[in-house]
Amino acid sequence: KNEVEQSPQNLTAQEGEFITINCSYSVGISALHWLQQHPGGGIVSLFMLSSGKKKHGRLIATINIQEKHSSLHITASHPRDSAVYICAVPMNRDDKIIFGKGTRLHILP
Amino acid sequence: KAGVTQTPRYLIKTRGQQVTLSCSPISGHRSVSWYQQTPGQGLQFLFEYFSETQRNKGNFPGRFSGRQFSNSRSEMNVSTLELGDSALYLCASSLAWTGVTDTQYFGPGTRLTVL
Repeated sequence: KNEVEQSPQNLTAQEGEFITINCSYSVGISALHWLQQHPGGGIVSLFMLSSGKKKHGRLIATINIQEKHSSLHITASHPRDSAVYICAVPMNRDDKIIFGKGTRLHILP
Repeated sequence: KAGVTQTPRYLIKTRGQQVTLSCSPISGHRSVSWYQQTPGQGLQFLFEYFSETQRNKGNFPGRFSGRQFSNSRSEMNVSTLELGDSALYLCASSLAWTGVTDTQYFGPGTRLTVL
């Protein structure tokens, strides 16, 4: 079993829909990252959070440390949101960072 | 502020050769991390440097090495290249000494192809 699991692997939705991407992990962590990768490879850090909820524009990230689960939500989705979304967790046991396999999101106009 | 830069952007090498990739962090950032991304394995952590010291290392063979200079620029080296080393190599910089628990700013990556 992978230490970081993301779901779904692929998601296609219509413009305007509310999107949820989930990340579950089995290791002890103090923070979690959400990253966005567009075609061509460039990665942007969207959020780093250790508790509760963070919001930036149409993006909302939540984390429940006790349940070892985080979600990334996109409200009023737009075709430009089409990208791969990756969660990443630095592990407490050795401070190394491990990544989920990513969720490929495609928003149709 | 200029972002993280990586050179070269694309590289083609043959098996057995060695390669050096360069990363210049955002001005003022002293932490640099390196990652390998392949279609099969996804993103994997290579190593992390802070103030010229390797702070942490991922589970890669000794053929993968790196270093950081006094100006925080970092290089990674792969010796005796194998076909499986073909990947996108990304570096990221951050302010904090524990880069993995700080917001990281990624470079555009170097795409290495080994023939």
